[in-house]
Amino acid sequence: AQTVTQSQPEMSVQEAETVTLSCTYDTSESDYYLFWYKQPPSRQMILVIRQEAYKQQNATENRFSVNFQKAAKSFSLKISDSQLGDAAMYFCAYSSPKYSGAGSYQLTFGKGTKLSVIP
Amino acid sequence: DTGVSQNPRHKITKRGQNVTFRCDPISEHNRLYWYRQTLGQGPEFLTYFQNEAQLEKSRLLSDRFSAERPKGSFSTLEIQRTEQGDSAMYLCASSLGVKNEKLFFGSGTQLSVL
Repeated sequence: AQTVTQSQPEMSVQEAETVTLSCTYDTSESDYYLFWYKQPPSRQMILVIRQEAYKQQNATENRFSVNFQKAAKSFSLKISDSQLGDAAMYFCAYSSPKYSGAGSYQLTFGKGTKLSVIP
Repeated sequence: DTGVSQNPRHKITKRGQNVTFRCDPISEHNRLYWYRQTLGQGPEFLTYFQNEAQLEKSRLLSDRFSAERPKGSFSTLEIQRTEQGDSAMYLCASSLGVKNEKLFFGSGTQLSVL
């Protein structure tokens, strides 16, 4: 079974600075999907960024980028120019291609990292 | 696009009672998912539907849990004979069911079992 580990329960960052959230995972599969989700106090999970394991290029979405190290099974999220609205719980998640190949998303989530942004 | 809607937002019940939650997915989405999130944890997958067919239900936590999507539109999740350990947030999500497409989550139903 796949597992996802987020070793930082809480992180803080000064507004406009950069912060990196860590995630490691365990799998025996060679192809899979990795995600970062944001959960603000409104409770709705919002997709921040996704990475397909067969793509070597790290995904980027505006101020958000990942450092995907497949051999090390590491998938960290970097937030640049942090804004007050970035404060939230951040969850790393894994999806197996046997589920996601047809658009199915049986995600395995980590425990999350609470990010605080200091004005 | 009104997003994924879940009702009620909060539910308080006494141990042993049955509860039912409703999820209305985004209208054109044919896949619908239920997740459970306990305090301090990430969401945990429970079950999903393709239209009205329940394609995966082995991850439902016990036989007290059941889900339906009778006409391939809204879905209900029922918990019978609730226990205090059932207290959690129950999240619904939907997607179009095509590769590389996004999963959209609702804001969840927070269940408290007294």
